[in-house]
Amino acid sequence: EVQLVESGGGLVKPGGSLRLSCAVSGLTFSGYSMNWVRQAPGKGLEWVSSISSSSSYIYYADSVKGRFTISRDNAKSSLYLQMNSLRVDDTAVYYCTRSDDYYGAEFFQYWGQGTLVTVSS
Amino acid sequence: DIQMMQSPSSLSASVGDRVTITCRASQTISGYLNWYQQKPGKAPKLLIYVASRLQSGVPSRFSASGSGTDFTLTISSLQPEDFATYYCQQSYSIPRAFGQGTKVEIK
Repeated sequence: EVQLVESGGGLVKPGGSLRLSCAVSGLTFSGYSMNWVRQAPGKGLEWVSSISSSSSYIYYADSVKGRFTISRDNAKSSLYLQMNSLRVDDTAVYYCTRSDDYYGAEFFQYWGQGTLVTVSS
Repeated sequence: DIQMMQSPSSLSASVGDRVTITCRASQTISGYLNWYQQKPGKAPKLLIYVASRLQSGVPSRFSASGSGTDFTLTISSLQPEDFATYYCQQSYSIPRAFGQGTKVEIK
């Protein structure tokens, strides 16, 4: 069974930190890029960050650049998101997704169930 | 950065209706366009990739087309389980922008 299971969400004060994890099972992890996508309450989807299979290429949305750090551990089939200097507008459900591609055209076929991050005083 | 704009933002339709959602990119993205369906409290589900390729297991009443900057998602005969929010997403460049979503509601 394919599973992407996020954890680490919770309530944190503005300026605080949180580390999200995504444990992947039932599908290949090491050979694929991975991503974080978030969704603020009642809002649309926002791509947050991507990391290539060997961690050689890392990208961030401008909204999180300099505050969030994506990483992965291929031996553990796990993806991480270290979130520092959290702001109220970082409040969202955070999803991890695997990048698949069709002749180089990327799409997100596999998604976790999401973990809620609430930033509030 | 490429912006994605969907229209309409919401629509009301009846079971059996033909529904079309439009997605426009702020610059050309060739065929690097995906469509997702999301139901309340659930993760998004991939429907269409590379503009027109139907994801395995997705009913054939879903179809999509387009290239360059203009794309459409069509549901040929709306079913009760299709009431959801639909998002387009470009994979042409970083950042991987999503459209703002189109909510399909029951009339």
